Amino acid sequence: AQKVTQAQTEISVVEKEDVTLDCVYETRDTTYYLFWYKQPPSGELVFLIRRNSFDEQNEISGRYSWNFQKSTSSFNFTITASQVVDSAVYFCALSKYNDMRFGAGTRLTVKP
Amino acid sequence: DAGITQSPRYKITETGRQVTLMCHQTWSHSYMFWYRQDLGHGLRLIYYSAAADITDKGEVPDGYVVSRSKTENFPLTLESATRSQTSVYFCASSENPGQREAFFGQGTRLTVV
Repeated sequence: AQKVTQAQTEISVVEKEDVTLDCVYETRDTTYYLFWYKQPPSGELVFLIRRNSFDEQNEISGRYSWNFQKSTSSFNFTITASQVVDSAVYFCALSKYNDMRFGAGTRLTVKP
Repeated sequence: DAGITQSPRYKITETGRQVTLMCHQTWSHSYMFWYRQDLGHGLRLIYYSAAADITDKGEVPDGYVVSRSKTENFPLTLESATRSQTSVYFCASSENPGQREAFFGQGTRLTVV
């Protein structure tokens, strides 16, 4: 069975601090996809990134970066120089064929 | 407007009543999903559908029924609502969930009293 664990329930940082959100997954499949979604206070779910199991290259997009390591089954998300607008719940998800399973989410609060 | 829409946005119902949550998407995505979001559990998959007339159970299907007679619609029915079904429900669609991101509706906040 597929499983995603986000051990950090809540994180609070002060603006401009760097913060890393952890995601550990379990799957028996060799082909799968990993995602990160953001849920701001308004409630909608916003897609951030997709990574397939064969591509372990790290990715950087502005202040966001992702570190995918198959050896540790982790797909961690780092926000550099955090801003108040980054305050949200962040979900990691694992997808294989027909279904997509989410972790419990990490609530990030960035204080001014 | 293109996108995925859920209705109603808010619903209060009584224990034992049947209630249907609607989901409509305009992209003609093959795949559609229903999730419930509860504190401490994140998003849990209730049911999904790979195409019209093809549905399958997710992690927490008990007490729910789905149908998909048309590609664009994926209603979720609570046959006899219970208080434990109080939650925020999200519908999503995807061209291919194994390779493409899913797009989510705005959510329906359901309260069972």
